[in-house]
Amino acid sequence: EPEVTQTPSHQVTQMGQEVILRCVPISNHLYFYWYRQILGQKVEFLVSFYNNEISEKSEIFDDQFSVERPDGSNFTLKIRSTKLEDSAMYFCASSAGQSQTQYFGPGTRLLVL
Amino acid sequence: GENVEQHPSTLSVQEGDSAVIKCTYSDSASNYFPWYKQELGKRPQLIIDIRSNVGEKKDQRIAVTLNKTAKHFSLHITETQPEDSAVYFCAASLGGGADGLTFGKGTHLIIQP
Repeated sequence: EPEVTQTPSHQVTQMGQEVILRCVPISNHLYFYWYRQILGQKVEFLVSFYNNEISEKSEIFDDQFSVERPDGSNFTLKIRSTKLEDSAMYFCASSAGQSQTQYFGPGTRLLVL
Repeated sequence: GENVEQHPSTLSVQEGDSAVIKCTYSDSASNYFPWYKQELGKRPQLIIDIRSNVGEKKDQRIAVTLNKTAKHFSLHITETQPEDSAVYFCAASLGGGADGLTFGKGTHLIIQP
């Protein structure tokens, strides 16, 4: 069964550095999402992406965040200047269309020191 | 925006007994309600979902009920087994492909042998 994949599984970075988290959504899916989960807390929506543009974003997704689909398979989340509070598990998800299940990737655990 | 409340935060039941987790939502326009199971350090995995045109859905030992008038929905697990131990998250969405999921805070379900 196809799955969403994410790289890296873990990333440690210094405060102020840029990070890029990578995702490969399920191949025939049209909608892509990023969520984050701070340790021990609930999953929070960051952004959705469709037809090569952002569809919806939350208050968390401020100017330091950006998303891109650089080619036909990858979907990336960039954090321009990381802060300590950006430390979290970041999940990518994809879905086939409206009211369709969102399938989550295994996550990237980001630690900002 | 949408707000999802989930109770209880921790639920301990004897193996073989039933478990019930309850969620309420605030946005009457929400019409898609998935439930995810998350084992420690792993991705959230969909276990069941319900759309607002139905009041109940069942899949083997798992059932979900929805009361649109009261804006609450519940997860019922019967004949609980040790492998049911995990954190369960409810979520709500407007149901469009680009709409992000708003999650509850999660319920840590512990199955006592």
